[in-house]
Amino acid sequence: DGGITQSPKYLFRKEGQNVTLSCEQNLNHDAMYWYRQDPGQGLRLIYYSQIVNDFQKGDIAEGYSVSREKKESFPLTVTSAQKNPTAFYLCASSPGAETQYFGPGTRLLVL
Amino acid sequence: GESVGLHLPTLSVQEGDNSIINCAYSNSASDYFIWYKQESGKGPQFIIDIRSNMDKRQGQRVTVLLNKTVKHLSLQIAATQPGDSAVYFCAENNAGNMLTFGGGTRLMVKP
Repeated sequence: DGGITQSPKYLFRKEGQNVTLSCEQNLNHDAMYWYRQDPGQGLRLIYYSQIVNDFQKGDIAEGYSVSREKKESFPLTVTSAQKNPTAFYLCASSPGAETQYFGPGTRLLVL
Repeated sequence: GESVGLHLPTLSVQEGDNSIINCAYSNSASDYFIWYKQESGKGPQFIIDIRSNMDKRQGQRVTVLLNKTVKHLSLQIAATQPGDSAVYFCAENNAGNMLTFGGGTRLMVKP
């Protein structure tokens, strides 16, 4: 069963804590992306990776970090430097043909 | 379920009617456009795409129209059903695999 998976579905962060959101794809896509979605706003790009071991900052990278050690995995860490982390986080992948396919999302809440 | 947008423009239609959702894009150099559907608490789902060398493309019950002169994109849904209720996003591609997303329109289908 091919697709993009994100885990967990819900994540709770205590103040000052780093948390990591998982994104895995078995579609053999080269490119992967992380977006943040807030109510009333469109998707905003956090980080993207066009190839393994390489990634670039998007429009709102501050307070976030990523790694791309394997083609199928692109985890996102929300660091304590991100002061307003409550949002819906979406991971996407692309075969390089422009269309991006999204995972089910992770909702991050602050305790 | 969670709301993906509290202050989105809303289109309310009667079940069985046709729906037209509009999107204005920003970059005249954009050459590829996508419509996504996002149900509450889920990731966006690809619906249909169109390239800039076309002005119309049809899928199953959906049609996308592109007017490059006024930088306008529309999604038409025929015989709208309750399952079509969701937030619809347009996206434009103007630089490789990078997409810029619109703010979204909420479609509500009345039975």
